[in-house]
Amino acid sequence: QSALTQPASVSGSPGQSITISCTGTSSDVGGYNFVSWYQQHPGKAPKLMIYDVSNRPSGVSNRFSGSKSGNTASLTISGLQAEDEADYYCNSYASGSTLGVFGGGTKLTVL
Amino acid sequence: EVQLVESGGGLVQPGGSLRLSCAASGFTFSNFGMHWVRQAPGKGLQYVSAITNNGGSTYYANSVKDRFTISRDNSKNTLYLQMGSLRPEDMAVYYCARARNGFTFIDYWGQGTLVTVSS
Repeated sequence: QSALTQPASVSGSPGQSITISCTGTSSDVGGYNFVSWYQQHPGKAPKLMIYDVSNRPSGVSNRFSGSKSGNTASLTISGLQAEDEADYYCNSYASGSTLGVFGGGTKLTVL
Repeated sequence: EVQLVESGGGLVQPGGSLRLSCAASGFTFSNFGMHWVRQAPGKGLQYVSAITNNGGSTYYANSVKDRFTISRDNSKNTLYLQMGSLRPEDMAVYYCARARNGFTFIDYWGQGTLVTVSS
C-alpha cells in the first residue's frame, strides 16, 4: 500500500484555524469511513485525536475536527494554541491490508 | 489507566536478532488486538505487525514478513515481537499500540523502545 499524501508543513498564528489534508484513493480514504488522526510531539508517542473520520476520543479538545470528501480527509484545528505545534499523521483502513496505511506526516508550526 | 511499556530495544549488528516485549496494564489485555508500529529517525509512522486478541491471526508488513514474528501471552498481559535477520533499515523506535474496531485505529500507544542496527 502507498502512503497517504499529506503536506509536509503547515503554519498558523495563535487563534487562527488551519486544515491538514490527507489524500488517498478509493481503496483507502475514499472507500471507508475509517480515517484516524494522530498528534505527535517531539520525542513523544503519538496520541489519537480523531477516529472514524470525525469522532473525537474523550479528553480531546473540540478545537480538533475531522472530515472527508471523496478521497481526501481533513483535520481542522481551530483557535490555534502554542501546544498544538506538533507532527500530525493521518491513517486509513485500506482494502486488502489489515494493517492500514499512514500518511507521511505534517509538521504544524504555530507562529 | 491504560499503560503499555515496551522493553528489549538496543544495539544489534546487521543480521542479528532481538526480542521486544510490551507489558500491558489497566485494561483486559485478552479483549484487544495489538499492533507494533515503528518510526525510523526523522521519519513517519509505519505499521510493522498486528495480532488478534486471542493470537489466532497475525499480520505483517511486506518489509518484515518472514523475518519478524508477533506473539502474545494473555496470561502475562504481554505482547512480543521477535525480530530476526535485522537490517540497517529496521533501525527505529518501535511502539506497542492497542487496536480498536478491528484494526481500524489505535487508541493507546506505549512510549517506544529504540532498536539500533549497526556494526
